[in-house]
Amino acid sequence: QVQLQQSGPGLVKPSQTLSLTCAISGDSVSSNSASWNWIRQSPSRGLEWLGRTYRRSKWYNDYAHSRININADTSKNQFSLQLSSVTPEDTAVYYCARVGIGAGDGFDIWGQGTLVTVSS
Amino acid sequence: SYELTQPPSVSVSPGQTASITCSGDKLGNKYTCWYQHKPGQSPVLVIYQDNRRPSGIPERFSGSSSGNTATLTISGTQAMDEADYYCQAWDSSTAVFGGGTRLTVL
Repeated sequence: QVQLQQSGPGLVKPSQTLSLTCAISGDSVSSNSASWNWIRQSPSRGLEWLGRTYRRSKWYNDYAHSRININADTSKNQFSLQLSSVTPEDTAVYYCARVGIGAGDGFDIWGQGTLVTVSS
Repeated sequence: SYELTQPPSVSVSPGQTASITCSGDKLGNKYTCWYQHKPGQSPVLVIYQDNRRPSGIPERFSGSSSGNTATLTISGTQAMDEADYYCQAWDSSTAVFGGGTRLTVL
């Protein structure tokens, strides 16, 4: 079955860049029938979608705001999140998740979550 | 930007029916998904395409959508259903989540 395994540091200093990786098993980051997403959850904001990467005839990305970058690594079958210039408000549990391309498809596979704390 | 509004909390007695609403401008023209989120766990998709259940989701979970409102209904609510529930829709190329509803089974 499809699984997503997250990795990355749990503590980031203010103004630095948060980096997380999501390794895919049982599916391909290059799949034409899925997109690969990052979502975070905090008590104050609930679930918040950050962005996605996906491949059709070429690679596409969509982001919630300008501090976000998401890259796919086809050689390792994984994708990564970079969030720049972090502040304590970026403290949250970060999840990677898959969604299909069908209209109305939901985020059906989720990573285990990574608690990231922004603190000096 | 597009917004989805949910009540912060809903309470229900065991065995009764719980209804959680999600409101957004012309939401009925989009597909709505619903997620169950328990503390310390990853969210779980319980409804997609307004009213379809993924495999493994109990039949007591159902969904509907019309006009500006989508509704998640849990029939015969069990103690294990106590969780936060989030609605979600796509607006252009952006996924939007509601603020979440804490379901308490009293």
